[in-house]
Amino acid sequence: GAGVSQSPSNKVTEKGKDVELRCDPISGHTALYWYRQSLGQGLEFLIYFQGNSAPDKSGLPSDRFSAERTGGSVSTLTIQRTQQEDSAVYLCASSLGASSYNEQFFGPGTRLTVL
Amino acid sequence: AQTVTQSQPEMSVQEAETVTLSCTYDTSESDYYLFWYKQPPSRQMILVIRQEAYKQQNATENRFSVNFQKAAKSFSLKISDSQLGDAAMYFCAYGAPGGSQGNLIFGKGTKLSVKP
Repeated sequence: GAGVSQSPSNKVTEKGKDVELRCDPISGHTALYWYRQSLGQGLEFLIYFQGNSAPDKSGLPSDRFSAERTGGSVSTLTIQRTQQEDSAVYLCASSLGASSYNEQFFGPGTRLTVL
Repeated sequence: AQTVTQSQPEMSVQEAETVTLSCTYDTSESDYYLFWYKQPPSRQMILVIRQEAYKQQNATENRFSVNFQKAAKSFSLKISDSQLGDAAMYFCAYGAPGGSQGNLIFGKGTKLSVKP
């Protein structure tokens, strides 16, 4: 079956612009995670959804970052007034449920470059 | 807070040889999960192997095995009979048990090169 998909694959934007990153999880997966991977760094957890709700938003780096999930499926990560330090690969993962017991399946990521 | 440390930014191995990647972690929990993920240039993270902390037996998956030392909080990955396709970034990750979250805490990764 289809895996996790993300769009766009690459996004170049100018400082100060808003961007939207999209994630399509595996069908039937109720948990969805967003991570950020900066150059030379590991993955930094941003936010997760169980269904449509995001119980913990503390991982979001600033109030310029927001995320939503509708219909228990597609999720959008929005970055407002982008800054150069936002440049990174944004990875999305989904799993059957919000527990470490369940394997997380990752998408190919969106590489964001802020000029 | 839990942390994961990978002390080897880069490693190199000859094709068909064996290589071990190191990982240490810090937690006050007694039950948790540990993972090794592979990230090739395509950026797609792939789960290589998983270890449940309450299990004494080290996990194995074909050419991949772990050496899990719970007391030392060490979780190394051994790749036997290395192949060119094993070249990638390898990330060690920690996951808390059960609960309602499930996000993983990752190390900074080890870049593995395989020489023909």
